Order: sequence, then structure tokens, then C-alpha cells
Amino acid sequence: NAGVMQNPRHLVRRRGQEARLRCSPMKGHSHVYWYRQLPEEGLKFMVYLQKENIIDESGMPKERFSAEFPKEGPSILRIQQVVRGDSAAYFCASSPGTARDTQYFGPGTRLTVL
Amino acid sequence: DAKTTQPTSMDCAEGRAANLPCNHSTISGNEYVYWYRQIHSQGPQYIIHGLKNNETNEMASLIITEDRKSSTLILPHATLRDTAVYYCIVRPPNRGGATNKLIFGTGTLLAVQP
Repeated sequence: NAGVMQNPRHLVRRRGQEARLRCSPMKGHSHVYWYRQLPEEGLKFMVYLQKENIIDESGMPKERFSAEFPKEGPSILRIQQVVRGDSAAYFCASSPGTARDTQYFGPGTRLTVL
Repeated sequence: DAKTTQPTSMDCAEGRAANLPCNHSTISGNEYVYWYRQIHSQGPQYIIHGLKNNETNEMASLIITEDRKSSTLILPHATLRDTAVYYCIVRPPNRGGATNKLIFGTGTLLAVQP
């Protein structure tokens, strides 16, 4: 029973490049969440998606960041024109969408912007 | 902002029970208490959650006071591998909306000593 999968685990980009982070939820889970953890800081919610829908993006920076969860395939967090301040660990979580919903986290993608 | 307060750090001797307190005095009647932990930059790991009754699973026990304003996570026999930051989070039941996000505070750094 595979858990939440994230890839790549480590990603290095130069300033101005694009970063694409992928998240495959646990089997049977239709809800995906993205969180960011800046160096020496806590985990912050970014966005909550269900299949083909963004439910809550209140934690997403206004520019350069976008997320999708298509009908087929993994969820993608996309960061355009990365800057050094985007260097962080990005964690994806998934849940089944029941009332007693529990989010299970993946191992994270560590983004380093040079 | 997080709706919980936890001590910044705690020590525990290996093999002894670790009791981690959490205050959530403004908790609403339908909000669950969740516990996660994060071991050195890994993805957060779900431990346990409860509403009113005490809960136990293979990892830990959760004791919730009768007025629900505080709770205690108990690791019955702490090992060195339990050294981590432990987060106590309150969250309403899932209704598919914007309240599903987890709001992480600063947590408690539990250091298990040999």
C-alpha cells in the first residue's frame, strides 16, 4: 500500500528557471494539499485541490505559483521564474475526503535555487 | 494562527513514557484534535486524532480532558527514534471546503535521551 509519492526528492534550479514538483496521492485519495517549509520555519499551507478543482488557494503566493490536479496523473505545483527565497521543502499530503479526514504526507521535495 | 499552545521542548529518558501536553482552550464542539510529528526534515507523520473520547493506536494514546480544552499525547515507551517535533492541531470535520487545511504551530521538540 504505497504512501504519498513526491518527485523529484531534490531539485536544483537557477534563478529565473521553472520548477515543477509532482505529487501522487495515496490510492483511493482524491484530495491533495501542498505545504511549504522555509528553512528554520514551520509548515505553511499553500493550496488544497480536488480532482480538476482548486478548493482553497489562500496560502499561495499571488505571483509565479500555480497548482493543478488533473483528472489523470499527479498533482503538479509549478513555480515560474524561481528566486532564492523559493528555496524550501515542499510537502504534499493527500486524504480520502471523508468526514474524519486524515491527511497523509509525502517525503517532500527540497528545492534549492542557486 | 495556530489555535493550540505547546511547550517548546521536552526531554524524556529512553524507555520511559513521554507525555506531551497541548492547550486548545478555544476549541469548538465539532473540532478534532490531531497529532503529527516531523522527524528531522522528513514529511510530517500522522500519529493519532480524537474528538471527545480518549484514543489509542499502535503508536500512541491521546487523552482529551472532559472540557476538551487540553489534551496529552502519550508515547508509552519512548525510543531514540521518537526524537522529533510534535504538532498538536485542531481542525473541524471535513466538509470539502477551505477549513480542511492544517495549521501548524511551532510544536514541541521532544528529545529522547539514552
